[in-house]
Amino acid sequence: EAQVTQNPRYLITVTGKKLTVTCSQNMNHEYMSWYRQDPGLGLRQIYYSMNVEVTDKGDVPEGYKVSRKEKRNFPLILESPSPNQTSLYFCASRAQGQASGYTFGSGTRLTVV
Amino acid sequence: AQSVTQLGSHVSVSEGALVLLRCNYSSSVPPYLFWYVQYPNQGLQLLLKYTTGATLVKGINGFEAEFKKSETSFHLTKPSAHMSDAAEYFCAVSEGDTGRRALTFGSGTRLQVQP
Repeated sequence: EAQVTQNPRYLITVTGKKLTVTCSQNMNHEYMSWYRQDPGLGLRQIYYSMNVEVTDKGDVPEGYKVSRKEKRNFPLILESPSPNQTSLYFCASRAQGQASGYTFGSGTRLTVV
Repeated sequence: AQSVTQLGSHVSVSEGALVLLRCNYSSSVPPYLFWYVQYPNQGLQLLLKYTTGATLVKGINGFEAEFKKSETSFHLTKPSAHMSDAAEYFCAVSEGDTGRRALTFGSGTRLQVQP
């Protein structure tokens, strides 16, 4: 089944403790992206990647890092999480060409206390 | 720059009634437009999209949307609401096939369907 897989689904952590949210897709998609969803704000793009070793900032990149060493994986790294990063995170991928639309993962609900 | 405005954060309709969710966009280039649906505790699922060609686009679950360039709108409609349509709906825009930026989303509209 074609899908984007994120792990974990739920995570509670403490301020300052480094964490990584993994994302993997099995569709051989070139483009991958991370979004965060907050009430009343919709989804905002954190980082995106157009292909292996090619990444760029989205609208809200502060406090986040990404890497794209392999085509299928696009982990999101929070080096020093803070409470304002408590949110619902989605990874998404698409084939080359915006017209194809993104396939989204099921989401990771992160709470930073 | 591109942006999306969804009018009404909450819309409530009766089962069997018309569903109309409003979306207006701004884009400096011909846009690609999308509607996504999010059911509770799930990711986003593509409902329909407009890229080029016919301006009336049909999607899954009986939804459709019409691209109106003069009004910069892409409203989502369904003739008869079903209880299973209760979800949050997001309109999104991308500035054509530039390959640089991904989707810009609206803030979402939560649809309630009353029995």
